[in-house]
Amino acid sequence: DVKVTQSSRYLVKRTGEKVFLECVQDMDHENMFWYRQDPGLGLRLIYFSYDVKMKEKGDIPEGYSVSREKKERFSLILESASTNQTSMYLCATSRDGGGEQYFGPGTRLTVT
Amino acid sequence: GEDVEQSLFLSVREGDSSVINCTYTDSSSTYLYWYKQEPGAGLQLLTYIFSNMDMKQDQRLTVLLNKKDKHLSLRIADTQTGDSAIYFCAESGRYNNNDMRFGAGTRLTVKP
Repeated sequence: DVKVTQSSRYLVKRTGEKVFLECVQDMDHENMFWYRQDPGLGLRLIYFSYDVKMKEKGDIPEGYSVSREKKERFSLILESASTNQTSMYLCATSRDGGGEQYFGPGTRLTVT
Repeated sequence: GEDVEQSLFLSVREGDSSVINCTYTDSSSTYLYWYKQEPGAGLQLLTYIFSNMDMKQDQRLTVLLNKKDKHLSLRIADTQTGDSAIYFCAESGRYNNNDMRFGAGTRLTVKP
């Protein structure tokens, strides 16, 4: 079974703080994704990566950056957290060529 | 406008059938998916259908695809309280299978 883990289930940060969300997968998948999930908006893609050190912007990259130094690990960085980044963040992975995405349990981030 | 649309809420009685509907705009979609999200968890793939099929059945689940109308539905027979969750419709294949678009999610509530 694919296992996708995220570093925290719940996180509370202050406005202006730098925030790191980490995602680790154990299935040697090439592709990794970060989404945010907001009520009534569904999932929106922030960034994805199709290889180590490679990244592509998704639909809403503003205010975020990512890092993929190792194949199994994909980090989402909020350089200066703002209250409008309060959301549920979901990491996902897929094999090369795409298709089904496997999701982590999510990190609920609150920025106060 | 939205690439993938679904109604936000559905309520049924235990034992009834549930039908969750989804419309999408991209005629080049290759795969269409249904994901389930239980409270506090990430998304789990329920089933998917390839765009050259019009129906797929898997135990209590039936997926119908009307490619001409770009309409996808998920029917859950004999709905149980454990089926209460948010159901996401998704499509991929616009540019490649990594480009997956999600609907806003339908919250299914099953009343005893």
